[in-house]
This record gives sequence, structure tokens and C-alpha cells, in this order.
Amino acid sequence: DAGVIQSPRHEVTEMGQEVTLRCKPISGHDYLFWYRQTMMRGLELLIYFNNNVPIDDSGMPEDRFSAKMPNASFSTLKIQPSEPRDSAVYFCASRHRDFEGETQYFGPGTRLLVL
Amino acid sequence: AQSVTQPDIHITVSEGASLELRCNYSYGATPYLFWYVQSPGQGLQLLLKYFSGDTLVQGIKGFEAEFKRSQSSFNLRKPSVHWSDAAEYFCAVASRGGYQKVTFGTGTKLQVIP
Repeated sequence: DAGVIQSPRHEVTEMGQEVTLRCKPISGHDYLFWYRQTMMRGLELLIYFNNNVPIDDSGMPEDRFSAKMPNASFSTLKIQPSEPRDSAVYFCASRHRDFEGETQYFGPGTRLLVL
Repeated sequence: AQSVTQPDIHITVSEGASLELRCNYSYGATPYLFWYVQSPGQGLQLLLKYFSGDTLVQGIKGFEAEFKRSQSSFNLRKPSVHWSDAAEYFCAVASRGGYQKVTFGTGTKLQVIP
């Protein structure tokens, strides 16, 4: 399996522009997570989906952020309009059910810089 | 609410020396425990996990971790560090049952000197 795939790997944009981050989870995983990582706040959970349905979006910082999962193999995280404080690394992760517990597997991340 | 503490923000060790990274958790029962490693510019890679059974868990790259219930700890160890181990290490705890929310520690950055 190719693992969790994210695109783009790097994004540089100007304040006010729309940014769309994409994620393809590992096939067969039924949970998908979006995280944001910054030096100041560490790794934060933004939102997660179960079977393509958003379950908890309490970590989404504000209405400028939205996420969708139209099918089991694709999810997007959109920021509109973007602001410099959104600069961070955004990770997507999907979850695998082991015999007893569940393990999250992370993508390589999208490094976003908003100027 | 569950929480994870990694008391060491930054650790420096010499190549070939042993390593121990500390992790303490707070949870009402025995949680699921994980260690992830993040190399510069990369995503998080799972090193090892503890669900149940033997409290000494073996992982990839020669790492191991020991779950100590009495100390609420899950320290990561490696007997001989290689330069390629320089990275940031994250401890994580997940609740049992239901959604199994995962909480990550703030990370420990490991520097390896020749």
C-alpha cells in the first residue's frame, strides 16, 4: 500500500487566497483525521471523519476552515480566505483497526505558507 | 481528560550511547500508548504501540518502550543511538472503547552528535 497520500506537499500563497489541501487515505481505513502542526501549538486535531461523515469538527479554528470527504478515498481541507497565521504543516491520517486497538497512519504533510 | 507529558523538549546524545525518552500520561484506566517519530520535513511514523500483554514492547529501528502502570509512564529506549535517529519523537495516548481519541505529547527533539 502506498500509505496516506497528501497533495500538494508545499503550498505558498498570499493572504486572502483560497487554499485546498487534499488527502487520500489508506484503502480500507474507515476513519480520516486532519491535523495541524505548528511550533507554538504542536499537533492539533482539526476534524475527523468516520465512513465519510464528519464526526467532530470542534478543532477547526474558525469558519474559514472547511473539510469534506465525498468518498472513502478522498478528503479535502479548504481555507478561505487564508491568513498568515494559517501557516503550518497540515497532516492527514487514517486509522487501521488492529486486533484490539486502532492505530493512526500519517501522510507526509502539506507545508503551507501564507504570505 | 487524558493527557500526555514529555518533559524533555530537547535531548542531545552521542552516537553509540543509549537513549531514554520520557513519557507520562494521565488517564483513568490503562490507555493505548504509542510512540511516533518525525524526521525533518516528514510525516509521523509509528515506532511502536502498546495495547495489552507484555509491558515491554519492541518496535522498528531497534526501539523499545516499557509500560509502567504504577508510574503512568511509557518511556522509549534504544541501547545504541545512530546518527539517523536524530528526529522528533512524539508519545501519544488513546482511550479505550468508542472513538479512541488520541492525544499527542509536545514532542522531544533528539540531536545526535558524532
